[in-house]
Amino acid sequence: NAGVTQTPKFRVLKTGQSMTLLCAQDMNHEYMYWYRQDPGMGLRLIHYSVGEGTTAKGEVPDGYNVSRLKKQNFLLGLESAAPSQTSVYFCASSYPGARNTEAFFGQGTRLTVV
Amino acid sequence: AQRVTQPEKLLSVFKGAPVELKCNYSYSGSPELFWYVQYSRQRLQLLLRHISRESIKGFTADLNKGETSFHLKKPFAQEEDSAMYYCALSNTGFQKLVFGTGTRLLVSP
Repeated sequence: NAGVTQTPKFRVLKTGQSMTLLCAQDMNHEYMYWYRQDPGMGLRLIHYSVGEGTTAKGEVPDGYNVSRLKKQNFLLGLESAAPSQTSVYFCASSYPGARNTEAFFGQGTRLTVV
Repeated sequence: AQRVTQPEKLLSVFKGAPVELKCNYSYSGSPELFWYVQYSRQRLQLLLRHISRESIKGFTADLNKGETSFHLKKPFAQEEDSAMYYCALSNTGFQKLVFGTGTRLLVSP
């Protein structure tokens, strides 16, 4: 059981380049999330999705776009990368409902923008 | 607004010593509180949730609504407890998890 898988694991971008991070989950979860993790800042929510075809902004959405065309996939796009987007990105997924609130995380993508 | 505060960036203790990782929150409704842990080179994973009132790996956490706290405690720390610990909050019914800045626990022999 793969759980939550992120692609790629590492990437170096030049300022202004674009890229897409892929998150795939095989647990049939409704909710999916993208976070960024920065030293001293914890995990900050970028965008999230409560179901196929729906997305919403989180705490730090600027400079990112997302799409949830299929229930199992959640894509995070950077249209024009900036050095401030150097971070570790985590995808997570979960079921809805108060009794099943565990979020399952991917292994992270380390992105460096030079 | 939802906010989670973890005042300690680093907590260093010796093996066998008690551990308390502090977490305070602000939320106007009835929150759900969690502790997540990230061991070295592993992915973030759930440690425990307040709604279950469980003890995992010897850790417990009690939700104190009066003090808006959810401190994580363990009476006798072990070296394998060394990790990054995140307190997180979610509003009931929807799981937009908000995380604190994390506390690194270092347990020395």
